Formats: sequence, C-alpha cells, structure tokens
Amino acid sequence: DAKTTQPPSMDCAEGRAANLPCNHSTISGNEYVYWYRQIHSQGPQYIIHGLKNNETNEMASLIITEDRKSSTLILPHATLRDTAVYYCIVRVVAAGNKLTFGGGTRVLVKP
Amino acid sequence: NAGVMQNPRHLVRRRGQEARLRCSPMKGHSHVYWYRQLPEEGLKFMVYLQKENIIDESGMPKERFSAEFPKEGPSILRIQQVVRGDSAAYFCASSPDQAGQGNYGYTFGSGTRLTVV
Repeated sequence: DAKTTQPPSMDCAEGRAANLPCNHSTISGNEYVYWYRQIHSQGPQYIIHGLKNNETNEMASLIITEDRKSSTLILPHATLRDTAVYYCIVRVVAAGNKLTFGGGTRVLVKP
Repeated sequence: NAGVMQNPRHLVRRRGQEARLRCSPMKGHSHVYWYRQLPEEGLKFMVYLQKENIIDESGMPKERFSAEFPKEGPSILRIQQVVRGDSAAYFCASSPDQAGQGNYGYTFGSGTRLTVV
C-alpha cells in the first residue's frame, strides 16, 4: 500500500470546518483513500473512503485531487467530540488486505 | 447487528502469567486482524487470520505470542509469560469475505487494555 503523509497535529475552533490534508503521491490506480479516527482510548472508527470522486456522508466530506496525489478530509462543523487522531490510509480493496496505520493527525477542537 | 466484541476490556496480569484476549468478529465476517497500541504510540499490525488459518503474522513477536481463530468460537490472542513491555491496548478488527467496491473495510472492537504488574 502507498505511503501517506499527514501533519502531526492541528487545532480547530468548535463550530468551524476542520480541513485535514493528506499526501499520497505514490498512490496506485486501484488504491482507495480511507480515513479513520481514534478517539482517546477507543477503537479506530471508519469515517469515509473514496477512489477518485469526492465523497460525502453524515460525518465528513472527502475531496480527492484530480491527480489523486492528495486528499482533504473535511469535518464541516467540528465539535469537541471530534477531538481525535485522524488517519489517512491508502489501500487496495481486497479481501484480507490489512490496514497499515501511520502517525495520523492529532486534531484538537477548542471551544 | 452486534459489532466486534472484545473481552475482557481490562486485564491485569503479573509478570510471568499468561494473558488470553478474545475477539468475536461481526456476523458474517471471517477475517480477523489484531493490532497493538503501546502507550502514546500508533497502531501496529500483529496478525491476520481467517477461520482456522493464520494468513499473515508478520507483526507478531517471535516468542510468547500466538493467535488462533478456530472454526467455532472467538479469535484468541495469547501472550505467555507476560512482561511489563506487553502492557498495551490490543485491538481486534474484522472484515467480510467479499471486499468489492464500497466496502467499508474494517470494523474495530473497543480493545483490551492489558496491564502487567
């Protein structure tokens, strides 16, 4: 699976949008971009994933650049409960293909 | 539809004892993955199992650690003769047989926090 690069930390004001960048310049054509988050001491939680089109669900939006070398996770209205470590992972979707976690971005939402 | 169930949530063992961590995957999932998270560190892959088979154990320590996923029952991660350095959170995840497009990937359990005293 391709390697990803994320900033180690960022702060966000409560109620504002949080934009989390991720670089994956070596991504292959069949690799998806996945985002997970881990709220303190809990198991990682799936947020969203995409291949090349922008995606939106009830939690977040995922914007993938046209060349697919980077993406941005957008939390539209951050709350204090969104404080977590956010992981960007690229992987081939295949049965049994393991997730490899990097360092992620530690997001602190401040009142 | 229950999620991935791990038990116990917290486990305290004395040095030299054995620790057994259990993971029941989501219904319909036959792929199980174990991860370890040391204090203040990231998630590290340990082992991937399918029913009755170990598929990838590239992240397992060479000694004292073993895993199984029997035909019936939960997956077990077993740590023999625990040492203080084994203190960590151990997470289990499961995924379905068929990946396909739109697959969510993994579903994680809440983890077992092992403390070795």
